[in-house]
Amino acid sequence: DADVTQTPRNRITKTGKRIMLECSQTKGHDRMYWYRQDPGLGLRLIYYSFDVKDINKGEISDGYSVSRQAQAKFSLSLESAIPNQTALYFCATSDPPGGSRSTDTQYFGPGTRLTVL
Amino acid sequence: RKEVEQDPGPFNVPEGATVAFNCTYSNSASQSFFWYRQDCRKEPKLLMSVYSSGNEDGRFTAQLNRASQYISLLIRDSKLSDSATYLCVVNLSGTYKYIFGTGTRLKVLA
Repeated sequence: DADVTQTPRNRITKTGKRIMLECSQTKGHDRMYWYRQDPGLGLRLIYYSFDVKDINKGEISDGYSVSRQAQAKFSLSLESAIPNQTALYFCATSDPPGGSRSTDTQYFGPGTRLTVL
Repeated sequence: RKEVEQDPGPFNVPEGATVAFNCTYSNSASQSFFWYRQDCRKEPKLLMSVYSSGNEDGRFTAQLNRASQYISLLIRDSKLSDSATYLCVVNLSGTYKYIFGTGTRLKVLA
């Protein structure tokens, strides 16, 4: 079973519609992230959360909102979708460094391919 | 200047060849470094972390050069299954910020 899951995997929607992308994880990690990936660009951070009560904007948060319903769940919403939000969206989790680990490694979900017409 | 830069490729190499990629980063405060592999339309998967002393995992060797601010990935005895995009990722220690390169595309040819 996958440790980080995302639903839906593919979605086509129309301009102006509200849409929610969901992410769940069984890794027990406190930290969760939402990224988008566009052709020719690196992954860009939309929002991140270090625990249920800690949610922060990333570099491209405009037009998006998030909800951390539980340690294991982090949802991304597009309030009013527009065509330039067409992209591949990834959820990721990480565990802060500790013990013998000095680095904070991220683990990604399978992605949601979103098309806004 | 981009914070993390990679040659987009593609690097087309025959099976069995050795291939190397470099990645440069601009922030000297960068502390953690990673190579991820991404297959077409799939999620990035951690290939290896990069340590100051360099590290090796089978056919893969990663090096870090802090003075020149670059990391490298060497793949020996390339396999067809190594065909993918390799992402360089840099993290400022203790922060949320992971900076992703745009990736280097590798095609291993039969």
